[in-house]
Amino acid sequence: EPEVTQTPSHQVTQMGQEVILRCVPISNHLYFYWYRQILGQKVEFLVSFYNNEISEKSEIFDDQFSVERPDGSNFTLKIRSTKLEDSAMYFCASSEEVRISNTEAFFGQGTRLTVV
Amino acid sequence: AQSVTQLDSHVSVSEGTPVLLRCNYSSSYSPSLFWYVQHPNKGLQLLLKYTSAATLVKGINGFEAEFKKSETSFHLTKPSAHMSDAAEYFCVVSGLGGNKLVFGAGTILRVKS
Repeated sequence: EPEVTQTPSHQVTQMGQEVILRCVPISNHLYFYWYRQILGQKVEFLVSFYNNEISEKSEIFDDQFSVERPDGSNFTLKIRSTKLEDSAMYFCASSEEVRISNTEAFFGQGTRLTVV
Repeated sequence: AQSVTQLDSHVSVSEGTPVLLRCNYSSSYSPSLFWYVQHPNKGLQLLLKYTSAATLVKGINGFEAEFKKSETSFHLTKPSAHMSDAAEYFCVVSGLGGNKLVFGAGTILRVKS
């Protein structure tokens, strides 16, 4: 069964350092997403990406964040200068279509980012 | 803005007894609604979705949910719980434009033997 894979499963980084979270979406999917869940809080939408550009982003997704599809298979989330409050579980997702009601969003198992 | 409220943060049932996980939604338009499940160390998996067709939606693993517009509810049920159902369950509504998901806070289901 096709699945979204994320690496690493757990990343510890020092405050102020840059981190890159990696995701391999399902191969025939065209729409990609990042969500995050701070411990004890709701899963929150960060950004959606299609055709090599951001299609929508939330208020959380400020200039410290960027996304990229560097090749035909990977989809990355970069945080330039991490803050303590960036500590969270980050989920990558992909779908065949942009309208979620017409399709299914497949999620990875998440990367737990801990900023110390 | 679209939102969902999961009324119970934790639910505990005995194996073989019914499961009820409650969800209320708020939306300014006809929403699409979903239930996702997350088992430990696994990704979020879609259980079922409602997209304005039949109000009673059947999903995987014997789960179903009923969309009740008058009550703005989308409760998840299963007639008989299994140990493997122990997980966290998220009620989710599609955002305006239908291209992002708005999650509830989650309900942790514990199944006792």
